[in-house]
Amino acid sequence: GESVGLHLPTLSVQEGDNSIINCAYSNSASDYFIWYKQESGKGPQFIIDIRSNMDKRQGQRVTVLLNKTVKHLSLQIAATQPGDSAVYFCAERGGSYIPTFGRGTSLIVHP
Amino acid sequence: DADVTQTPRNRITKTGKRIMLECSQTKGHDRMYWYRQDPGLGLRLIYYSFDVKDINKGEISDGYSVSRQAQAKFSLSLESAIPNQTALYFCATSDNRDRGNQHFGDGTRLSIL
Repeated sequence: GESVGLHLPTLSVQEGDNSIINCAYSNSASDYFIWYKQESGKGPQFIIDIRSNMDKRQGQRVTVLLNKTVKHLSLQIAATQPGDSAVYFCAERGGSYIPTFGRGTSLIVHP
Repeated sequence: DADVTQTPRNRITKTGKRIMLECSQTKGHDRMYWYRQDPGLGLRLIYYSFDVKDINKGEISDGYSVSRQAQAKFSLSLESAIPNQTALYFCATSDNRDRGNQHFGDGTRLSIL
């Protein structure tokens, strides 16, 4: 059967702090990883991606780190703002080109 | 993403009814997907289509069917709805590039009583 009503992991931070959201992935053959942001009432939106031949990639206020040894991905958000409050999903993708999504982490930013 | 439009946005219906959720896109992407999202869970893939003549089952296709009427349109049907199909449904598109990221609609909230 399926699980329902699971509580999402939650990260609460103060405005201006840096946030780090972690994700463990399962498939050692995955070669491409993506972070999505989902705001309330909206669909997921692409934030940043990284290929498996890299261990770090930076965007505007966001950095993704990849540790293939322990199959771990993290998203760092600098100077977190209230508008960053959302659910963040990591996704991994292998040869099928179909991503597999994690459960998500809820980020709450307090003004 | 306004380029991916889902209708209806909300639907309440009864057990046993046939329901169709529609998705249209103006991004010109060949690939389209239907996902289901339940509270506290990630997105689970129901069906996907890489072009108009291509339909593939995803992780949880039982109880669902799809139709790819055109490059821009991909509809999801529940032939006989049951309460545990109550969920948030998302349509997504992507292009054919190796790094083709998915673009999502804003979802359809479906409640089956």
